[in-house]
Amino acid sequence: QKEVEQNSGPLSVPEGAIASLNCTYSDRVSQSFFWYRQYSGKSPELIMSIYSNGDKEDGRFTAQLNKASQYVSLLIRDSQPSDSATYLCAVLTNDMRFGAGTRLTVKP
Amino acid sequence: ETGVTQSPTHLIKTRGQQVTLRCSSQSGHNTVSWYQQALGQGPQFIFQYYREEENGRGNFPPRFSGLQFPNYSSELNVNALELDDSALYLCASSRGTGVDEKLFFGSGTQLSVL
Repeated sequence: QKEVEQNSGPLSVPEGAIASLNCTYSDRVSQSFFWYRQYSGKSPELIMSIYSNGDKEDGRFTAQLNKASQYVSLLIRDSQPSDSATYLCAVLTNDMRFGAGTRLTVKP
Repeated sequence: ETGVTQSPTHLIKTRGQQVTLRCSSQSGHNTVSWYQQALGQGPQFIFQYYREEENGRGNFPPRFSGLQFPNYSSELNVNALELDDSALYLCASSRGTGVDEKLFFGSGTQLSVL
């Protein structure tokens, strides 16, 4: 079982729709959870962090964490073509581990 | 821009050679982590340095080694290069090793092994 699993996609949504990205992790003692965005040919950039159960909102982005289910998600509201990128879920236990990423395409 | 700089940006080597990649961390950051990212994959953790000491290592062989210097810059050395070492190598710096550790990545070094 991989430590951090994501649906590889690709995920395609129309402009203005909600994009939903999911992630599960295997280590129950994981404490911190992050979402990174990576444009093609670029390095990952941090967009959200979440540490406790529930929702955390930042502009059009909402991160959701359920430690009992070992599940993290990212919702992107009012998706824009500029949101088209690969989204990486990262989980911190002893060190930061990444999922393989979900490729999102937002179509105009 | 994150303030993390890596050099070189691209590198071509042949199998069996050795390579050194360099990273300068963001101001105020004392921790550097190195990742390998193969095409279409997520970053794979190689190791982390905290205040010049190795502070964790992923599932990479000993021919992957590193250093961190007093100014918190870092090097990744790979000996006896193999074709499968071809990847994007990412350096990330952070303020420390706490639960709110946020990684800030450099632009990466694209290594091709022929």
